[in-house]
Amino acid sequence: DAGITQSPRHKVTETGTPVTLRCHQTENHRYMYWYRQDPGHGLRLIHYSYGVKDTDKGEVSDGYSVSRSKTEDFLLTLESATSSQTSVYFCAISRDSSYEQYFGPGTRLTVT
Amino acid sequence: GQNIDQPTEMTATEGAIVQINCTYQTSGFNGLFWYQQHAGEAPTFLSYNVLDGLEEKGRFSSFLSRSKGYSYLLLKELQMKDSASYLCAAGGGSSNTGKLIFGQGTTLQVKP
Repeated sequence: DAGITQSPRHKVTETGTPVTLRCHQTENHRYMYWYRQDPGHGLRLIHYSYGVKDTDKGEVSDGYSVSRSKTEDFLLTLESATSSQTSVYFCAISRDSSYEQYFGPGTRLTVT
Repeated sequence: GQNIDQPTEMTATEGAIVQINCTYQTSGFNGLFWYQQHAGEAPTFLSYNVLDGLEEKGRFSSFLSRSKGYSYLLLKELQMKDSASYLCAAGGGSSNTGKLIFGQGTTLQVKP
């Protein structure tokens, strides 16, 4: 199994509060991705990174920002959480753009 | 536009064979991936096709026809533990991003 962890695993927060989710990998993979998974929508890409300090938007990036200051860490921030951001968030890593992605265990976020 | 279609649910009997179909439409194509996801868990990689034809890996096989925008996952000798969601994902867009577009997933129920 790929060495990829996410923290926290579960979080309940209130509308309007900032939230940061962390993805940590020990594989030294170049590519990292943040997805959200919701019933009826499948997995949707929020942001991705193709190297340290190199990030780009996915299909549902509004309300989210990311940072990658080290190869092993990719942070996802919700600046002001809304109820529509209640979801399960998965981080994924890939050795290269043409290789399969490996997923972390997920973070279940509830915004009340 | 970009779209992935797969059936929402399927039911099969233990020991049987089941085929899960997937059609895709993407701007650019960098391969077709299949993932398995058990309830409450992260997706795990099953197979990858980038050229036309059949790829076999134990009880699982995956087929791709690029001209038809079509793939299927074939599961043989079904076991109860194969009850899960199966996600079809197409690599789309420019080749240096590794971005995947996921279908909503097919929930497979294996019955005794």
